[in-house]
Amino acid sequence: DAKTTQPPSMDCAEGRAANLPCNHSTISGNEYVYWYRQIHSQGPQYIIHGLKNNETNEMASLIITEDRKSSTLILPHATLRDTAVYYCIVMIYNQGGKLIFGQGTELSVKP
Amino acid sequence: DTGVSQNPRHKITKRGQNVTFRCDPISEHNRLYWYRQTLGQGPEFLTYFQNEAQLEKSRLLSDRFSAERPKGSFSTLEIQRTEQGDSAMYLCASSSGTSGNTDTQYFGPGTRLTVL
Repeated sequence: DAKTTQPPSMDCAEGRAANLPCNHSTISGNEYVYWYRQIHSQGPQYIIHGLKNNETNEMASLIITEDRKSSTLILPHATLRDTAVYYCIVMIYNQGGKLIFGQGTELSVKP
Repeated sequence: DTGVSQNPRHKITKRGQNVTFRCDPISEHNRLYWYRQTLGQGPEFLTYFQNEAQLEKSRLLSDRFSAERPKGSFSTLEIQRTEQGDSAMYLCASSSGTSGNTDTQYFGPGTRLTVL
């Protein structure tokens, strides 16, 4: 079973920041938080990952709480092309690294 | 294009037929993963390879399913005697397998199988 909990759906206005929450209250010390997204009928796309520090790349920012029990993915200026299902996953590399996907959050960016 | 590629992108077959899918990972990636995704669900892990060795198989991978990665490069996933319940998107991902404590998987576009 997935070790994360996400809201099933969210809306965001185009040009505004999209903040997608994820709860992972049972995360252990060596588990990373990964975010992927999946646009309809395409393969999942890697966005970002982190262990305990906040991370930023060209796509998004990842904010992990100090106790690591939750995180937020931030898309700073959402566009219509960001409409997708976003998956938050915790993963231990040395256990084979397989990803266990939950239901994800369906983000709809509206004009 | 240096990403993960999968062929064919779509496959329609009749119940009882055998099908084979191919995945070409990112060059020099040691790990290769197969996932299955049914409508409205997240992807589910099927199996993974470290080079040519198949190291883990999910219980979802019944006896009708077999995966190979003979030379540690491309991989094939074969389904024998297909059933309507096999209809799904089959996704392949690869990762370098060498990067310390974490390892990012990159996915291909998937093969959509429809069993009539």
